[in-house]
Amino acid sequence: DTGVSQNPRHKITKRGQNVTFRCDPISEHNRLYWYRQTLGQGPEFLTYFQNEAQLEKSRLLSDRFSAERPKGSFSTLEIQRTEQGDSAMYLCASSSALRGITGELFFGEGSRLTVL
Amino acid sequence: DQQVKQNSPSLSVQEGRISILNCDYTNSMFDYFLWYKKYPAEGPTFLISISSIKDKNEDGRFTVFLNKSAKHLSLHIVPSQPGDSAVYFCAGLNSGGSNYKLTFGKGTLLTVNP
Repeated sequence: DTGVSQNPRHKITKRGQNVTFRCDPISEHNRLYWYRQTLGQGPEFLTYFQNEAQLEKSRLLSDRFSAERPKGSFSTLEIQRTEQGDSAMYLCASSSALRGITGELFFGEGSRLTVL
Repeated sequence: DQQVKQNSPSLSVQEGRISILNCDYTNSMFDYFLWYKKYPAEGPTFLISISSIKDKNEDGRFTVFLNKSAKHLSLHIVPSQPGDSAVYFCAGLNSGGSNYKLTFGKGTLLTVNP
């Protein structure tokens, strides 16, 4: 399988706990994105990496959120001190430089977070 | 502010007929528009796109029409098949920005009945 891989697929946690999601993009893609989708909404942009550099962060990404992409390969999204409002599907996507310019992204299946 | 609007939460059509999904936008800086399809428990999948310098793009059974003056685009699926049943998201892109982020609508659930 050479698509975008996300782990874990589903995480249930208690409020106040920390969680980390991992994304493995398509190997030759240098662009990586995180989006969040809540019920009844479309995906909302969170952050964007070009290689290992984080070039953009949405205002949705509070101080409790941090994303990394060491060495420009896989990426992690960590949420500290989770709140019930963090419950959502977290989607990772990747693209090549050329396809990213026109918006053609390859999404993973997502990591669903449930905060109790 | 909702820059991309899909005002129909759902649409139901008969197999073989045409499905028309609509999308309105407010951001004049968008220069690409895309449609993504999403099945349950899967991530969105790119379907078709159109540049703002065009008014039509066709790919097999899927055609996207863009009316810039009305800030409106639509996706036509002809003929519709049961396997097309999914949530369809419209998205806008300002490729001149520094992050290439997509702005999505809320989606339209298409159900194609056999």
